[in-house]
Amino acid sequence: DTEVTQTPKHLVMGMTNKKSLKCEQHMGHRAMYWYKQKAKKPPELMFVYSYEKLSINESVPSRFSPECPNSSLLNLHLHALQPEDSALYLCASSQGTGLLLTPNTGELFFGEGSRLTVL
Amino acid sequence: GQNIDQPTEMTATEGAIVQINCTYQTSGFNGLFWYQQHAGEAPTFLSYNVLDGLEEKGRFSSFLSRSKGYSYLLLKELQMKDSASYLCAVRDRGGNKLTFGTGTQLKVEL
Repeated sequence: DTEVTQTPKHLVMGMTNKKSLKCEQHMGHRAMYWYKQKAKKPPELMFVYSYEKLSINESVPSRFSPECPNSSLLNLHLHALQPEDSALYLCASSQGTGLLLTPNTGELFFGEGSRLTVL
Repeated sequence: GQNIDQPTEMTATEGAIVQINCTYQTSGFNGLFWYQQHAGEAPTFLSYNVLDGLEEKGRFSSFLSRSKGYSYLLLKELQMKDSASYLCAVRDRGGNKLTFGTGTQLKVEL
């Protein structure tokens, strides 16, 4: 199983709603990531979890709250979002972080994303 | 910080060869990746370079020069399905962070 599964695929929410995006992988990967991607732009890193601990927060507003309940699951809790937060949210996983030797390239495997629209 | 640049758009003909360049300036380096992303889909891994030189993988090859902060992705025998965005990404020295370049939208024409 080389898949990263994200749910829901589409989400429409109001600015006062609370919702969550979910991500799951069963590849035994120990690092998981959230990226945000706007149309015709590259993915922008939001958070990195390594061994279920938050290792990077790229100065993301607190209205985005990540959670890693176990090594296979990653959530992104959303509250009081703004219309400009509308984007594709991509989850990814990799074997791990830190120095890696070939052939373990440590590439990221991406899910298909959750397309979020904030009204 | 990291600054990663690619051409915004390129057009090439089916059956031809195209080279997509990527230049980077980083505070630390632990590998360079190329990803392909079709519209509305997730990025998929194409290639990885951590040492200088050329890595070949079927119709795709990637080159890295660490001293010049330069990489390219070479696509041979172009097919219509190769029309996509190609993203160069650099991993930091700590290995925790993968930062993507601006992306190159490739259009393959008949």
